[in-house]
Amino acid sequence: DTAVSQTPKYLVTQMGNDKSIKCEQNLGHDTMYWYKQDSKKFLKIMFSYNNKELIINETVPNRFSPKSPDKAHLNLHINSLELGDSAVYFCASSLSGSADTQYFGPGTRLTVL
Amino acid sequence: QKEVEQNSGPLSVPEGAIASLNCTYSDRVSQSFFWYRQYSGKSPELIMSIYSNGDKEDGRFTAQLNKASQYVSLLIRDSQPSDSATYLCAVTDSGGYQKVTFGTGTKLQVIP
Repeated sequence: DTAVSQTPKYLVTQMGNDKSIKCEQNLGHDTMYWYKQDSKKFLKIMFSYNNKELIINETVPNRFSPKSPDKAHLNLHINSLELGDSAVYFCASSLSGSADTQYFGPGTRLTVL
Repeated sequence: QKEVEQNSGPLSVPEGAIASLNCTYSDRVSQSFFWYRQYSGKSPELIMSIYSNGDKEDGRFTAQLNKASQYVSLLIRDSQPSDSATYLCAVTDSGGYQKVTFGTGTKLQVIP
């Protein structure tokens, strides 16, 4: 019974392509996040949504566009992929805000060739 | 730029010893502090959270917070090989939505 799920788990694509990653949580949480973890294992927040409303938007290229159709889902669409986008992308959720425990999905390993 | 700093390690300790992991943060008014464990190829999972000065114990784990020194630590007693992982310190800022900033992590190796 997966709490936070992401699809796909692996994504290999060519530069310039557009791709999407989907995330769903069944914990009833109000807040969801996207993180990027680079090759040095640094975990950096990209976006955060609370009840479908964008509340944190870090300095991320506008090629990245999150979308939250409802509070259980948070998707990430990436346009015109670049080599530097290669990383592991984690979705996470928390009950009401960042002061609460965050539960992470299994991650999506994106490789841009 | 608010920062969370950790020694990247690896920190090697023998099985049964105490492992001490340290973290400093730059935002003086940070409010919530977390330790996450991440096994290689897996996602982070919460070990401990701490919100006020002092110690907080949970089984073999003790988190220590000193807001005056802007310092938070994690002690792991009776270290086991299964504790070998990267430990991420995370700190929320003082803003309205309390953004979480993660440190770069300390890799712990417990030698049998």
